[in-house]
Amino acid sequence: QKEVEQNSGPLSVPEGAIASLNCTYSDRGSQSFFWYRQYSGKSPELIMSIYSNGDKEDGRFTAQLNKASQYVSLLIRDSQPSDSATYLCAVEDYGQNFVFGPGTRLSVLP
Amino acid sequence: SQTIHQWPATLVQPVGSPLSLECTVEGTSNPNLYWYRQAAGRGLQLLFYSVGIGQISSEVPQNLSASRPQDRQFILSSKKLLLSDSGFYLCAWSVGGFDQPQHFGDGTRLSIL
Repeated sequence: QKEVEQNSGPLSVPEGAIASLNCTYSDRGSQSFFWYRQYSGKSPELIMSIYSNGDKEDGRFTAQLNKASQYVSLLIRDSQPSDSATYLCAVEDYGQNFVFGPGTRLSVLP
Repeated sequence: SQTIHQWPATLVQPVGSPLSLECTVEGTSNPNLYWYRQAAGRGLQLLFYSVGIGQISSEVPQNLSASRPQDRQFILSSKKLLLSDSGFYLCAWSVGGFDQPQHFGDGTRLSIL
């Protein structure tokens, strides 16, 4: 059973701080990784994709991938109350499908 | 640009009634299409996916079925709903291989009474 694990949270950070969200996965052969944001009652929206080891930056978001350690993380700089949401990690499963983690609930406190 | 439409947004159905949820994608050809269910406070569960017309793969055995009668249309159905079918149903699309990101519709919130 392929697994993707995330700390369910809630993770609370003050406004302006860096929020760090982590995700581990069990399938060593996975090659593609995705972060989604889901506001309460809404559908998930794609934040970033990452395919290679290292960091990938997009605005205030940075995704970090370490395939040897089987983890992927998302950093949100200068966190805003509007970033309060559940963040879902998704991992491609041997080119078959996505496996989604349970999500981490982030709360940014004004 | 690509858009995905999913309806209805909200649905309340009695136990034992039939179900039909529809999803259409615009702006792309031959997309991969997916149906997910998200129970309250839970993660996303893949129900079905399709790589082409008439091609359906089921991930979870249950009383739901899916069909893809046209290239950009995906339908989720049930003949008799159960209480456990309540949840947030999401349609998604992607293009290319399964290593490409999926993009979600607005979802249907289904309540079974």
